[in-house]
Amino acid sequence: EVQLLESGGGLVQPGGSLRLSCVASGFNFLTYAMSWVRQVPGEGLEWVSGLDGSGDVTHYADSVKGRFTISRDNSKNTVYLQMNSLRGDDTAVYFCAKEWSAMDEWGQGTLVTVSP
Amino acid sequence: SYVLTQPPSVSVAPGEAARITCGGNNIGSKNIHWYKQRPGQAPVLVISYNNGRPSGIPERFSGSKSGNTATLTISRVEAGDEADYYCQVWVSGGVFGGGTKLTVL
Repeated sequence: EVQLLESGGGLVQPGGSLRLSCVASGFNFLTYAMSWVRQVPGEGLEWVSGLDGSGDVTHYADSVKGRFTISRDNSKNTVYLQMNSLRGDDTAVYFCAKEWSAMDEWGQGTLVTVSP
Repeated sequence: SYVLTQPPSVSVAPGEAARITCGGNNIGSKNIHWYKQRPGQAPVLVISYNNGRPSGIPERFSGSKSGNTATLTISRVEAGDEADYYCQVWVSGGVFGGGTKLTVL
């Protein structure tokens, strides 16, 4: 059974930083791209970032480019999202997903709240 | 940046067919994926690569494309189909439509 477990969310002040983690199990992690998708409560899905299986190829939404960094540790079956210079409009539930085109497995999400 | 346009809401009676559209420039050249999301839950992939059904997705779910519009069709709609549905493409990054709330009357 595939499982994706996100952690690292919480309350942070504007301008602050946070690192999200997503531990994967149940599939050959290093052969799959991974993505982060966020959702403001009550609103739609927004793709944030993705990287390939090796971690060499990364993509970012314009809204986070230069502030967020995606990475992975294939020895730990973990993908990370380092979020810097956080703003109020970054407040959302952040989901980790397997693949970056057809995202076929999702975690339950971790809530990030950016507020003074 | 690339934009996908979905109707905010669609309503259908049980047993009827629901059709949810997704419009985008030159969408015929892109692979479309569809997700179902119930309140408080993570999205679930229901159609991949235009018309593929992942394991466990009922045959009632199908996808198609014509011109600049992709369509998710749910035949013989059931109460459990009530959810938000999102289309998505990959254009050097992921792009989601705004989502459509399906209401089963």
